[in-house]
Amino acid sequence: EAQVTQNPRYLITVTGKKLTVTCSQNMNHEYMSWYRQDPGLGLRQIYYSMNVEVTDKGDVPEGYKVSRKEKRNFPLILESPSPNQTSLYFCASSPSAKPGHEQFFGPGTRLTVL
Amino acid sequence: AQSVSQHNHHVILSEAASLELGCNYSYGGTVNLFWYVQYPGQHLQLLLKYFSGDPLVKGIKGFEAEFIKSKFSFNLRKPSVQWSDTAEYFCAVTSPYGNNRLAFGKGNQVVVIP
Repeated sequence: EAQVTQNPRYLITVTGKKLTVTCSQNMNHEYMSWYRQDPGLGLRQIYYSMNVEVTDKGDVPEGYKVSRKEKRNFPLILESPSPNQTSLYFCASSPSAKPGHEQFFGPGTRLTVL
Repeated sequence: AQSVSQHNHHVILSEAASLELGCNYSYGGTVNLFWYVQYPGQHLQLLLKYFSGDPLVKGIKGFEAEFIKSKFSFNLRKPSVQWSDTAEYFCAVTSPYGNNRLAFGKGNQVVVIP
């Protein structure tokens, strides 16, 4: 089944403890992206990747890192999480970096930082 | 940068009522437009999209949207809603000259009462 998977689905952690949220897609998509969803703010893009080893900042990149060493994986790294990073995170992928292609979303990771 | 406005964040209506959700965007050039739906506890799914051509777009589950360029709008409609349409709806836009970055509206929380 074609899908985007994320792990973990739920995570509670403490301030300053490094964590990684994994994202993987099995559709051979070039484009991958991370969003955070907060009540009343909709979804905002954190980072995106046009292809392997090509990443760039989205609208709210502060406090996050990403890497794209393989086409299928795009992990989101929080080196020193803070409570304002408590949010619902979605990974998405798209066949191409060309604008307008539908993005396919993962199931989401609910992160709580105490 | 594009911005997307969605009004009436919370909508409550009865089954069989008609639904219309407004979406306005700020980008002045050519755009690609999307409506995504997020059912409770689930990830975002594409309802419909507009790239070019007929401004009246039909999507899944009986939804349609009309692109009105002069009004910078892409309103979503469904003539007769069902309880299963209870969800959050997001309008999103990308510029065809950008990098497939989706700019989302803040969403409409729709509750359909049986």
